[in-house]
Amino acid sequence: TQLLEQSPQFLSIQEGENLTVYCNSSSVFSSLQWYRQEPGEGPVLLVTVVTGGEVKKLKRLTFQFGDARKDSSLHITAAQPGDTGLYLCAGLNYNFNKFYFGSGTKLNVKP
Amino acid sequence: SAVISQKPSRDICQRGTSLTIQCQVDSQVTMMFWYRQQPGQSLTLIATANQGSEATYESGFVIDKFPISRPNLTFSTLTVSNMSPEDSSIYLCSTDDRGDYGYTFGSGTRLTVV
Repeated sequence: TQLLEQSPQFLSIQEGENLTVYCNSSSVFSSLQWYRQEPGEGPVLLVTVVTGGEVKKLKRLTFQFGDARKDSSLHITAAQPGDTGLYLCAGLNYNFNKFYFGSGTKLNVKP
Repeated sequence: SAVISQKPSRDICQRGTSLTIQCQVDSQVTMMFWYRQQPGQSLTLIATANQGSEATYESGFVIDKFPISRPNLTFSTLTVSNMSPEDSSIYLCSTDDRGDYGYTFGSGTRLTVV
């Protein structure tokens, strides 16, 4: 079973559209990260959120950590083909002192 | 953040043989992690490797199949032993150089067993 569930699993959109990816769990996390992975590469860290309710912006990407620290969302405004990739959330479970990775969202942005 | 060099980047191996994957970090790190990933899917943790102690394996992974070395604070290897086609996957190493704030990953090793 996956501790962190992401939705949607696949997303194919046109350039310029907006999208939101969700990361949900029944567990509480000390911190949560979002990564993007391109084919043939390892995941690259985009952001870390640590405070319930926290919102972080990275250019066209907006990340939010749920108030209860069980869920997170990634919103991309005006998506570009360069945003194409696999998006992974990962949560640090304080009790077990390890990161758990989400199920992944594969995004394809068509020009 | 740390930079990890992982090699080989890809390999095609015969069943029954073994492959050793190497990860070199450009700075000293306490913990290194080995993951397996099916293309386009999430990561599954194989084991955690600390320098000077035996690796800690996750459920479903055993030392005889995936022996790990961690001879110093900048290097680790993962061996995939007695390979079968089911071992075909992407293998990734990572470090917690940013502590609770996230991992740095190597570029991965794409393994195909024929």
